[in-house]
Amino acid sequence: GNSVTQMEGPVTLSEEAFLTINCTYTATGYPSLFWYVQYPGEGLQLLLKATKADDKGSNKGFEATYRKETTSFHLEKGSVQVSDSAVYFCALSDLMDSNYQLIWGAGTKLIIKP
Amino acid sequence: GAGVSQSPRYKVAKRGQDVALRCDPISGHVSLFWYQQALGQGPEFLTYFQNEAQLDKSGLPSDRFFAERPEGSVSTLKIQRTQQEDSAVYLCASSFYGIDSYEQYFGPGTRLTVT
Repeated sequence: GNSVTQMEGPVTLSEEAFLTINCTYTATGYPSLFWYVQYPGEGLQLLLKATKADDKGSNKGFEATYRKETTSFHLEKGSVQVSDSAVYFCALSDLMDSNYQLIWGAGTKLIIKP
Repeated sequence: GAGVSQSPRYKVAKRGQDVALRCDPISGHVSLFWYQQALGQGPEFLTYFQNEAQLDKSGLPSDRFFAERPEGSVSTLKIQRTQQEDSAVYLCASSFYGIDSYEQYFGPGTRLTVT
C-alpha cells in the first residue's frame, strides 16, 4: 500500500541555517506530493505541492522537488527564520486510490533558535 | 471567504458518553474528509464524502464511529460510547472535487479528551 516516511524530529537549527527535511514515499500509481505545515495552535496549511515527476513546488522560501527515481520529496529552505518553527508533514495523494485521500508522514517538528 | 470551521474546538467526555463533532466546509466544496490525529502522529483517514454521499468509510476504527453529511454541506462525526483510545484531534478537510483539485483545506480540529 501507499506510505510516506519522513525524518524524525525534533530538528533544531539556528536562525539563517539551511534546512532539509527528508521525505520518501511508496505508491502504486502516480501520486501527487504535498508538504503541509502546522504552526503552534493552528490548523494544517498547505505549504507546497507537486503533481508530477520533476515538478518543483515552492512557497515562502521553501522548495521541494518530486524525484520519481528516488521516490523522494525533500523539503528545503536556504535560510530559516524563528517564525518557521512548526511541525511539517509530508503527504501524498494517489490517483490510483479512490477519493484522493491524503496519506501522511508522522510529521517533523522544527525548532529554530534565534 | 471563510475557511473550514469545526466545533467545538475542545471536548472533554467521560468514558461511555456520546459526542458529536461538527464541520462546516468551505462553501461550494464538494469533497469532505475526516481525519484522526493522535498526539505526535500524522493524520489518519477516517471517511470521505462527495456531496451527501459517503463514498469511503474504510478508516472508521469501529462501529461506534458514524459520520453524516445529509445536505452535502455541514458534516457531523459522531462517536458513541467513547473510549480512552478515542482521545485525539479530529480534523475535517474540504476540497473542490476535480482531477486537478488535490488541495485539501483543513479546519482547526476538535481536540477530544476522554477521561
